[in-house]
This record gives sequence, C-alpha cells and structure tokens, in this order.
Amino acid sequence: RKEVEQDPGPFNVPEGATVAFNCTYSNSASQSFFWYRQDCRKEPKLLMSVYSSGNEDGRFTAQLNRASQYISLLIRDSKLSDSATYLCVVNNGNQGGKLIFGQGTELSVKP
Amino acid sequence: DVKVTQSSRYLVKRTGEKVFLECVQDMDHENMFWYRQDPGLGLRLIYFSYDVKMKEKGDIPEGYSVSREKKERFSLILESASTNQTSMYLCASSLTGTGEEKLFFGSGTQLSVL
Repeated sequence: RKEVEQDPGPFNVPEGATVAFNCTYSNSASQSFFWYRQDCRKEPKLLMSVYSSGNEDGRFTAQLNRASQYISLLIRDSKLSDSATYLCVVNNGNQGGKLIFGQGTELSVKP
Repeated sequence: DVKVTQSSRYLVKRTGEKVFLECVQDMDHENMFWYRQDPGLGLRLIYFSYDVKMKEKGDIPEGYSVSREKKERFSLILESASTNQTSMYLCASSLTGTGEEKLFFGSGTQLSVL
C-alpha cells in the first residue's frame, strides 16, 4: 500500500462547479498535513495546511479525519485558474520529519 | 519571498557522465531536500540535509550523492549518469521549528540522459 494515496484523475469540471479531492495516508503517527498545488511544468507550491478542526481559505476548504486517516480538499465555484495538479502531502510522523507526497490529482476547469 | 534557485532549467548529458545539480536558497533555511518527479510516481525524496555537512538518505538514494558545504547550497551529484535517471529534479528548502514544515521549491531541472 502506498503511504499517501489520492483519487485518480483527471477531473474535468465546468467553471463554477464544486469539486472534492480525497487522500488517504497509511502512517497513523503522521502529524502534519498539507495540500500543494503544481501548475504544468512548474514547481509545487503550498496551497494550504490541513488542521484537525478543518480550515477554510476563500473557496478552498480542507478537512482531516484522523480516525479514518483521510484528508480532503473542497474547491467551490471553480475558476479556470484552478486548473492544476493538487498534491496531498503528509509528514512521516516525526517532528521536522520528511514529507511524503501523493501522486497528485489533475484538475481541469473548462469554460 | 524565499528564493530557491536551481542552476539549470534543462540539462542533457550522456550515459556515464558525472552530473552536478546545484541549488541555492537565500533565506537561511536549515533544511534542504532533493526530489525527483516522474509521471505516475509523484515526487520521491532522494536525499535531505538538516544542517551544514549533514546528509540523510531519502527513499531512493541509489546512484546519487549530495554535498552541503555551506548552509545556502545543496548539491546533487550523479556519479555516473544512467538513462533511468532521466527525470525532473526539484530542490526544496524549509525552516526548522515552524511547526508547518512549509517547503519552498526551486523551479526544477529537467535532466535527460542519453
């Protein structure tokens, strides 16, 4: 089993749609969780951290379910500029430990 | 803004050549990382370093070595390049003790080994 698994893509959605990405992780000791965004031929950039209580940043909402070892990202009112690959990232359970990346889910928002 | 600079955007090398990939960060970060990214496999950690002259193996260190002689610079070395090392190489840095381990990436080096 992979340490971090994401929904297979690509997701093709119309502008204005709501889209959700899911991610599961295998290490129950993991303490830090993130979503990164990677545009085509560019480097990954941090989109948002994921906190136990859930957190929101504008149109983006991240949720964490420790019992199920599951993370989600919800994007509301999709924009063309949201088209990118979204990477689920989890640390290895040690403070300051290495980060493990999921394979990424590609999102394409169409007019 | 943190800047992580990789020396080359594209590189073409021949099998057996020794290859140096250089990475420099300008924000005094303690931690530096080298990843490779391949279609269908995602980002995989090659080596990382928590301090000058320190290095630790990541998940796929075979065929690679690293050097961290100065805090701002982390070099990845392919001692004898092989075709299966054709990949996108990404360097990253982060600050210790932030509690969030936010990684800042360079723009990547696409290496082709012929």
